Amino acid sequence: EVQLVESGGGLVQPGGSLRLSCAASGFTFNDFAMHWVRQGPGRGLEWVSGISWNGANMGYADSMKGRISISRDNAKSSLYLEINSLRPEDTAFFFCVKGANWNLGAFDFWGQGTLVTVSS
Amino acid sequence: DIVMTQSPDSLPVSLGERATINCKSSQSVVHSSNNKNYLAWYQQKPGQPPKLLISWASTRESGVPDRFSGSGSGTDFTLTISSLQAEDVAVYYCQQYHSSPLTFGPGTKVDIK
Repeated sequence: EVQLVESGGGLVQPGGSLRLSCAASGFTFNDFAMHWVRQGPGRGLEWVSGISWNGANMGYADSMKGRISISRDNAKSSLYLEINSLRPEDTAFFFCVKGANWNLGAFDFWGQGTLVTVSS
Repeated sequence: DIVMTQSPDSLPVSLGERATINCKSSQSVVHSSNNKNYLAWYQQKPGQPPKLLISWASTRESGVPDRFSGSGSGTDFTLTISSLQAEDVAVYYCQQYHSSPLTFGPGTKVDIK
């Protein structure tokens, strides 16, 4: 059974930083692209970042580009997202998402999400 | 960037009736290498993460009831629920995975009339 378990969310002050983690299990992690998707309170879905199976290719949403960095550790079946210069409008659930293939594909499994709250 | 739009925003449907959701992309999501439409549909129920229903515009995921179907090509797509059940109340999103940044539509809320 595929499982994606996010951690690292919490309350952070504006201008602060966080590192989100996602522990994956139940599939061959290094065969698939992985992504982060966020959802603000009462809002829709926004793709934040994605990384190819081997970490060679990364993509970032314009809204967060320059403030985020995605990485993965295939030996640990783990995905990460570093977020800097956090703003109140970044408050959202951040979902760890498995891609359906090694590069461009639909998102076939989602974690439960970790809540990031940016407030003073 | 490819902009995704959906209509309607909200769709009240009687139990057993058909629900039709439209999705439009600002440019074609067909990949020239394989002629496939890089378009997916997701269902999100309250308090839950989204669930993939359909990929490649019309391929239903394993375990998804056959009352859900996807159609369309190029820039215009449709998700149809042939006979609405109570458990289908949710927000439905389309998404293009043709090119980065990957983008979602704003969502369509389906509920019971």
